[in-house]
Amino acid sequence: NAGVTQTPKFRVLKTGQSMTLLCAQDMNHEYMYWYRQDPGMGLRLIHYSVGEGTTAKGEVPDGYNVSRLKKQNFLLGLESAAPSQTSVYFCATKLAGEETQYFGPGTRLLVL
Amino acid sequence: QKEVEQDPGPLSVPEGAIVSLNCTYSNSAFQYFMWYRQYSRKGPELLMYTYSSGNKEDGRFTAQVDKSSKYISLFIRDSQPSDSATYLCAPTGSNDYKLSFGAGTTVTVRA
Repeated sequence: NAGVTQTPKFRVLKTGQSMTLLCAQDMNHEYMYWYRQDPGMGLRLIHYSVGEGTTAKGEVPDGYNVSRLKKQNFLLGLESAAPSQTSVYFCATKLAGEETQYFGPGTRLLVL
Repeated sequence: QKEVEQDPGPLSVPEGAIVSLNCTYSNSAFQYFMWYRQYSRKGPELLMYTYSSGNKEDGRFTAQVDKSSKYISLFIRDSQPSDSATYLCAPTGSNDYKLSFGAGTTVTVRA
């Protein structure tokens, strides 16, 4: 089992460019989450999904969009990247009825 | 005021020392209190969690929760260099989809 995987591992963007981060899981978990982690700020929730076809805003959703067309995949999109979106992005999953979230290895994004 | 406050450190201790990590929180609805460990350039992984107030021990690690004062602690006994990581507290409520993370405390255990 691969668990939670994230693609790509690292990316450099120029301001205004767009990109999509992919999170894939093989644990059949219902819930999926996108976080960003910045120094001194901890993990902040961007968007989350409680099931296929559903998404909801988290704490810091502005500038990001998400889609969950398949249960195993959760996509995070940046339509027009800004330097403030330079961060490490983590995907996490959770089984319904449990509290533990399982995290992917992260995607490092640098926006110049 | 943040929902969860955690001293960011960093904390540097000699091998064998006891490490004490703390968080405070403001939401009285929190029932589950998790500690995640994050090694450098890796994703967080669950270390242990407790339900409601009390203590829980797992090997060299002890988690304490005092709901009356909204205070969460993690103690590491006989610390090892392999314990060097960032530790994040993450309380949550029952049937809550989301975790509220502290900023994390970075610990270095010197050999």
